[in-house]
Amino acid sequence: GENVEQHPSTLSVQEGDSAVIKCTYSDSASNYFPWYKQELGKRPQLIIDIRSNVGEKKDQRIAVTLNKTAKHFSLHITETQPEDSAVYFCAASIGGYSTLTFGKGTMLLVSP
Amino acid sequence: GAVVSQHPSWVICKSGTSVKIECRSLDFQATTMFWYRQFPKQSLMLMATSNEGSKATYEQGVEKDKFLINHASLTLSTLTVTSAHPEDSSFYICSAPTSGGQSADTQYFGPGTRLTVL
Repeated sequence: GENVEQHPSTLSVQEGDSAVIKCTYSDSASNYFPWYKQELGKRPQLIIDIRSNVGEKKDQRIAVTLNKTAKHFSLHITETQPEDSAVYFCAASIGGYSTLTFGKGTMLLVSP
Repeated sequence: GAVVSQHPSWVICKSGTSVKIECRSLDFQATTMFWYRQFPKQSLMLMATSNEGSKATYEQGVEKDKFLINHASLTLSTLTVTSAHPEDSSFYICSAPTSGGQSADTQYFGPGTRLTVL
């Protein structure tokens, strides 16, 4: 089955810096890659997703890039703010009714 | 975005009792819903896929007789933890895809249920 590796497990940055979280996946058939943000004790919230027919997607300060050949995708957050502090999860699925496989998460801490 | 609700948000029960958790899609129909368990500082672990009108599909290592799933309608799935024990204490979260049965993509999560078994 699919295996998703996520790095780093923790990431500390200063406010205004950029943050990058990287994930790799094992199943070349995977074609859907969402990113979720989870604050302590709350539900994971979808922040951005990308499908395998595109290489990059942007939404304001958040962007995701996908390299299908290398089987990795990354989350980029620019101009980080303290409210960006949370745990971020990447995930992958092969679409249809296949399930999402999650990475282990990255705790992002943005210091003022 | 789509709204998924869960009830209760937290529950404390005695060892040996059963607990039912409800997951509802409020503004869309979901023929499929997913149940996850999340231990502190860990990732989401898929427990089972709930299918409206048919049996749930359980992930390897998840006891189907202990975690009973019923998908009663296109907007409601329930998870019953039977004969709960302290090791079942966890954060249980459901999710539902918004594609109306076409795809498992774009899942939206419920707010989760914190279960504590004494």
